Amino acid sequence: GENVEQHPSTLSVQEGDSAVIKCTYSDSASNYFPWYKQELGKGPQLIIDIRSNVGEKKDQRIAVTLNKTAKHFSLHITETQPEDSAVYFCAARNDNYGQNFVFGPGTRLSVLP
Amino acid sequence: DGGITQSPKYLFRKEGQNVTLSCEQNLNHDAMYWYRQDPGQGLRLIYYSQIVNDFQKGDIAEGYSVSREKKESFPLTVTSAQKNPTAFYLCASSVTGQGNSPLHFGNGTRLTVT
Repeated sequence: GENVEQHPSTLSVQEGDSAVIKCTYSDSASNYFPWYKQELGKGPQLIIDIRSNVGEKKDQRIAVTLNKTAKHFSLHITETQPEDSAVYFCAARNDNYGQNFVFGPGTRLSVLP
Repeated sequence: DGGITQSPKYLFRKEGQNVTLSCEQNLNHDAMYWYRQDPGQGLRLIYYSQIVNDFQKGDIAEGYSVSREKKESFPLTVTSAQKNPTAFYLCASSVTGQGNSPLHFGNGTRLTVT
C-alpha cells in the first residue's frame, strides 16, 4: 500500500527565515497532495494543496512543489512568524486506497522570536 | 458558520465501558471520516462513509463501530474490545469521497480510559 514519509520530524528556525518540509510517497497512483497545520489541542487545518498535474503552487508565504518522477513534494514557508509554530502534516490521496488519504507522521515547527 | 462539531472535547471512561463520540457537520458534505491520532504519529483511518447508510472499515477498525443514518452525523463508538482506546480522535468530512476534495476536520475529542 501507499506509504508517506515526512522529514524532518522537528524543525526550529529563527523568525523571518524560511522553513522547508519534505514528503515522499511510494505509490504513483497518488494524485492529490494536501498540507495541514495543526495547532495544540485543535484539529488539522488545510493550508495548501496540489494536484498531480501541477508542479508548484503558491499562496502568499506558503508554497508547495511536486516532483512526480521522484515521488516527493515539499512545503515551503518564507518569512516565518511565531504563529507559524505548529505541527504540519502532509498527505497523499491514492486511487488504490479507496481514494482515501495516507498521512505523513508530522513535523513540529518552532519559530523562534 | 459552517463546520464540524465534535463533542465532548474531553472524555473519561473506565475500562470495559463502551463510549460514543459525537460528530456533526453542517457543510452538506457527502463523505465523513474518523481518524485516530497518537503522539508522534500521523493520522490513522478508523472508518469512513462516502454516503448516508454506507460505511467502510479503515486501517484500524477493530474495536470500533460507526453509523451513518443522517448526512450530517457520523458517531463513533469505542467498544470495550478496543485494546488501547486512549487517544485523540478526529472527525473529518469532505464534499465527496473522491478527487481533489480536501478533508475538513473538527477539533477532536481526547478520550482517556483508565
